Amino acid sequence: EIVMTQSPATLSVSPGETATLSCRASQSVSSNLAWYQQKPGQAPRLLIHGASTRATGIPARFSGSGSGTEFTLTISSLQSEDFAVYYCQQYNNWLRTFGQGTKVEIK
Amino acid sequence: EVQLVESGGGLVQPGGSLRLACAASGFTVSTNYMSWVRQAPGKGLEWVSVIYSGGLTYYTDSVKGRFTISRDNSENTLYLQMNSLRAEDTAVYYCARETVTRGSVMMDYWGQGTLVTVSS
Repeated sequence: EIVMTQSPATLSVSPGETATLSCRASQSVSSNLAWYQQKPGQAPRLLIHGASTRATGIPARFSGSGSGTEFTLTISSLQSEDFAVYYCQQYNNWLRTFGQGTKVEIK
Repeated sequence: EVQLVESGGGLVQPGGSLRLACAASGFTVSTNYMSWVRQAPGKGLEWVSVIYSGGLTYYTDSVKGRFTISRDNSENTLYLQMNSLRAEDTAVYYCARETVTRGSVMMDYWGQGTLVTVSS
């Protein structure tokens, strides 16, 4: 089983600043990685797929990078609506696994 | 417009069964990959199961032999039959459509979730 580890668990950022979230896979997943945003009481929303491709309608301030085992989600110029929990998820063959999440909170 | 609406959650005793349904509109369930993902109270997301357009099914280890994913093409509905339920199965269960684009597999649409509580 591929284990996804996200860091940090919580990130305190001021509005307008940049948030950098990390996701590490226990073995290579190539570029088979997605990022999701979840707000309290809501279903997750797809942000990034293929490690770096923004989903339809996602603002350009969200960017993804990485391949293999190391991935990064960068949120530039944080807006109030961006404070949420973010999950990475890998899909390798048939197996899908999520990271434990990073909560981005207002500093 | 793509929509997914889950139903069937509720309170069930340990060892009991429930069948969750996910009614889809705006697309055809049978021509897409469809997954179930769950989230225990206050916890993160956990992938549970997927059914491929060709009918292949896969499960996370903790539910193998107890849960069955299926679909009804005539009803355009996804199901999750859950048997031998345990306290640790307590969670909000989401269904999600998976889209494959240039090798990328993404859960691009999600339902609102249905709560399953396993307790005596």
